[in-house]
Amino acid sequence: SYVLTQPPSVSVAPGKTARISCGGNNIGRKTVQWYQQKPGQAPILVIYYDTDRPSGIPERFSGSNSGNTATLTISRVEAGDEADYYCQVWDSGTDHWVFGGGSKLTVL
Amino acid sequence: QVQLVESGGGVVQPGRSLRLSCAASGFTFSSYAIHWVRQAPGKGLEWVGVISHDGRGSYYAASSTYYRDSVKGRFTISRDNSKNTLYLEMDSLRPEDTAVYYCAKVRGDIYSAFDIWGQGTMVTVSS
Repeated sequence: SYVLTQPPSVSVAPGKTARISCGGNNIGRKTVQWYQQKPGQAPILVIYYDTDRPSGIPERFSGSNSGNTATLTISRVEAGDEADYYCQVWDSGTDHWVFGGGSKLTVL
Repeated sequence: QVQLVESGGGVVQPGRSLRLSCAASGFTFSSYAIHWVRQAPGKGLEWVGVISHDGRGSYYAASSTYYRDSVKGRFTISRDNSKNTLYLEMDSLRPEDTAVYYCAKVRGDIYSAFDIWGQGTMVTVSS
């Protein structure tokens, strides 16, 4: 089965840039989605098709995907960005949808 | 507004059954595939399964439903487009099925992102 690997935690100071990685075998050949989940809340979509933002998501959120790593980048981090972030892909080999283990973003 | 509302969660003994519902509003329910995703306490998101927009297969997706291996044969996803409602029938429940269960709508085709999520319903499997 296809596996997505994320760092368990990422820490960043307010105003700085956070980068959350999502590793997978040839993930650059797949389309990656990113979800933000705050405690006690349902996830929300922040990036789809590797780089696109749904309406209402700030431009500070961006995505990239190449080779074996996809990355969610959050610029000018704010306290309100503190949350768990999950990457997700569809695996055509198994017709399964796969989530990464999640990364907890801490704003120092 | 576009909304999904899950219901039917609760405490159930191992080996028993439970049916969850997901009521949709604010969009054309019959046009979109819907997924179930669960989250065990303190753990990450885990995809459970999906049903196509009309409950049928197509040229691009041979099957109308797909499931993760650990629930295949025990869980069944169905939908009633006349009632704008999705169901998750869970049989032979195990303690490891304990989780918050979310339904999530796709943004476009069945393979696209999950753009709208319900608030979730908690299922606890315990004797």
